Amino acid sequence: QLVLTQSPSASASLGASVKLTCTLSSGRSRYSIAWHQQQPEKGPRFLMKVNSDGSHIKNDGIPDRFSGSSSGAERYLTISSLQSEDEADYYCQTWGSGILVVFGGGTKLTVL
Amino acid sequence: QVQLVESGGGLVKPGGSLRLSCAASGFIFSDYYMAWIRQAPGKGLEWVSYISSRSATIYLADSVKGRFTISRDNAKASLDLHMNSLRAEDTAVYFCARAPYDTTHSFYYMDVWGTGTTVTVSS
Repeated sequence: QLVLTQSPSASASLGASVKLTCTLSSGRSRYSIAWHQQQPEKGPRFLMKVNSDGSHIKNDGIPDRFSGSSSGAERYLTISSLQSEDEADYYCQTWGSGILVVFGGGTKLTVL
Repeated sequence: QVQLVESGGGLVKPGGSLRLSCAASGFIFSDYYMAWIRQAPGKGLEWVSYISSRSATIYLADSVKGRFTISRDNAKASLDLHMNSLRAEDTAVYFCARAPYDTTHSFYYMDVWGTGTTVTVSS
């Protein structure tokens, strides 16, 4: 079964960095994922794709403060120089043949 | 600019029907798979359905199979979600999204999202 696991919450101070994690279920370590940001009362926004080799491709207009990386079955979203507008829910998403679209449960990021 | 605008949400009684629409602009609609995703109040994102560029392939989540159908009109650059036999648990904000295919890494992802339309199922 294809499952994406995310911590429900994370927090970091204004100007600091934070690394969010999305863990793929067993046997799926080669899957790519997408990260999406959802600010309060808004629709989601696609941030980037992260591949198993650690490469990532960002959506147009996403600041350099956002980056992606990978290690084994884990996919990361790192946000540096945190700003107040980064306070949002972050979802990872993938797709599997026959399994179709899967979302992680989301991480609520609080900027202190 | 690339844009998706949903419409058609509202209040409906259990067992009722509703049709959601999504108007696309700023890109060649017929080149892309499209998807519907929903978000129940206070909950995460849940994929509902997707449809291939020429409507040849359609998938529905188990939770809506047999009750919802998806369709598209490439000439009008529009995507629809027909919802029947609605239940309280279908209450959610419904988003449409563009779903390109990453051929190198073999996966679909959502790269453009609408702002959503709210469906409330209640007596």
